Amino acid sequence: EVQLLESGGGLVQPGGSLRLSCAASRFTFSSYAMSWVRQAPGKGLEWVSDISGSSGNTYYADSVKGRFTISRDNSKNTLYLQMKSLRAEDTAVYYCAKEEATMVRGVIIYYFEYWGQGTLVTVSS
Amino acid sequence: DIQMTQSPSSLSASVGDRVTITCRASQTISTYLNWYQQKPGKAPKLLIYAASSLQSGVPSRFSGSGSGTDFTLTISSLQPEDFATYYCQQSHSSPLFGGGTKVEIK
Repeated sequence: EVQLLESGGGLVQPGGSLRLSCAASRFTFSSYAMSWVRQAPGKGLEWVSDISGSSGNTYYADSVKGRFTISRDNSKNTLYLQMKSLRAEDTAVYYCAKEEATMVRGVIIYYFEYWGQGTLVTVSS
Repeated sequence: DIQMTQSPSSLSASVGDRVTITCRASQTISTYLNWYQQKPGKAPKLLIYAASSLQSGVPSRFSGSGSGTDFTLTISSLQPEDFATYYCQQSHSSPLFGGGTKVEIK
């Protein structure tokens, strides 16, 4: 079965930087778009960013645009999230997720098919 | 921007109960609607995609319906392992999740 393993979380001071990684296995990594989704303590899910399989297209939530950069290395089957200018409100568990696209009744539906176990990022002084 | 509103935010139910959770979009999203289950300390798990398509391996007691702006997730007979938080998510535009519905034991 698909495996996604995040790493790189930890405690960082406000204004600091951190890079998260997500190691993927048991599927053809380069063929799938990937996303980062986060969850603040006791809160709901928030999509952060995604990247196409070829890395040609990237998208960001307004809350992280200009501060976070998503990238991938298809030769290493790894997804990254570079986070800069971190704020207290960025404190969350960060999940990577494999996206699937399926044709259903004539339209292409996108959804998060598999998720990693998450890595905790805490922004605090 | 599309807003996603789930109701109720929490509910108490007993094993064997029929449970219905509602998700409403602020504008029409056709059937670009997915449902996830999340247990404490765990990653979310896909249950339903395209409003009513059951993900492989998910028990048939879970079903989804709706199109346009109003959607429902139904659990036909609640089992002990179903106590969790459920999220809807629209994929019509940038992914956006509803606020979640926590299903607790009565």
